[in-house]
Amino acid sequence: DTGVSQDPRHKITKRGQNVTFRCDPISEHNRLYWYRQTLGQGPEFLTYFQNEAQLEKSRLLSDRFSAERPKGSFSTLEIQRTEQGDSAMYLCASSYSSGANVLTFGAGSRLTVL
Amino acid sequence: AQSVTQLDSHVSVSEGTPVLLRCNYSSSYSPSLFWYVQHPNKGLQLLLKYTSAATLVKGINGFEAEFKKSETSFHLTKPSAHMSDAAEYFCVVSDGGATNKLIFGTGTLLAVQP
Repeated sequence: DTGVSQDPRHKITKRGQNVTFRCDPISEHNRLYWYRQTLGQGPEFLTYFQNEAQLEKSRLLSDRFSAERPKGSFSTLEIQRTEQGDSAMYLCASSYSSGANVLTFGAGSRLTVL
Repeated sequence: AQSVTQLDSHVSVSEGTPVLLRCNYSSSYSPSLFWYVQHPNKGLQLLLKYTSAATLVKGINGFEAEFKKSETSFHLTKPSAHMSDAAEYFCVVSDGGATNKLIFGTGTLLAVQP
């Protein structure tokens, strides 16, 4: 098992473009989380999936953001009409349903919006 | 609502000297608390976790933390710093809800001087 994989690791885009990030969790994990981390801050929760169901979304997740987890395996996070304020590291994590909330994080996808 | 406050944004120590990274928590119930470490260009890695068992928790790489309910603190310590310990450290609390999402502090950047 190679852990949680995220792709791409870096993305530079122009304001107004759409971007999509992919996360491949640890295969046995049925929970998947997306977090956003801006410079000098800790990660902030964006959204959460239990299998294929998206069960919670943060108010940080505006209408321009959409996340999916088809078939309860990999997940995608799409940002439409990017803004400079979207520049951040987008982190994916996965876990079992039990296990004292121990999340395994990927290395993240860094987005720079010019 | 659950929250954590990391009292120092930067800590600098000399190699071989003790490390102390301070964290206070706020929680309306007995919390699950964690310390994660983030090395540059790497994913967040779990150092240790407290889940209402022993109040002194031992983690990886010689780190440990003590849960003190009376002081609402969960400070991270290590007897002797190593150059490889230089990284950003996050104190984290679980929100305790069905989502079991994690709430991160703002981080402490540890520098280790030779």
